[in-house]
Amino acid sequence: AQSVTQPDIHITVSEGASLELRCNYSYGATPYLFWYVQSPGQGLQLLLKYFSGDTLVQGIKGFEAEFKRSQSSFNLRKPSVHWSDAAEYFCAVGAAETNAGKSTFGDGTTLTVKP
Amino acid sequence: DTEVTQTPKHLVMGMTNKKSLKCEQHMGHRAMYWYKQKAKKPPELMFVYSYEKLSINESVPSRFSPECPNSSLLNLHLHALQPEDSALYLCASNQNLAGPYNEQFFGPGTRLTVL
Repeated sequence: AQSVTQPDIHITVSEGASLELRCNYSYGATPYLFWYVQSPGQGLQLLLKYFSGDTLVQGIKGFEAEFKRSQSSFNLRKPSVHWSDAAEYFCAVGAAETNAGKSTFGDGTTLTVKP
Repeated sequence: DTEVTQTPKHLVMGMTNKKSLKCEQHMGHRAMYWYKQKAKKPPELMFVYSYEKLSINESVPSRFSPECPNSSLLNLHLHALQPEDSALYLCASNQNLAGPYNEQFFGPGTRLTVL
């Protein structure tokens, strides 16, 4: 069965500092990986996704993520955080062919940005 | 139009009331989802519809009744809910279930409070 672990429940960074949010996955085949962001009281918005090819993926809002198969990781990064990046971040593994329709989400990481 | 809309934005209901949540998308997506999300938790899958047919029911209590009248519309009928059902209810859509790489597009959610 597929699973996703986000080891950091809460992260605080200063505005302008760099950011890395960790995501580890467990999946038997080629993983389909996503990062979503959720602002308070809002739905989830896709930041970026990885299926194959270049292991460094660029997303919206200046985010990028690197897929490392050897470490089963898909960490999200941003070189310089803005106050508007404060939100909940979810890593997700796409549905397996045998489990069509069901994605698996991590528990999320809450990002706080200090002025 | 790359939007999923949900109405109402907020809903307060008593335990004996009957109400409905509505979700709409005009992206031509053929898979639609209902999720329940508690504060600081990831979305929990409730139902998946594929080509207007119920594909997945995650053992949701019968007081929640989904309906997919057409390919653009998804309803969630609520009856005799409990206070613990208070949550953010998210709708999402996806191109189709055949591709696990297809990201889900989420609506802003309906904030439900059961008194």
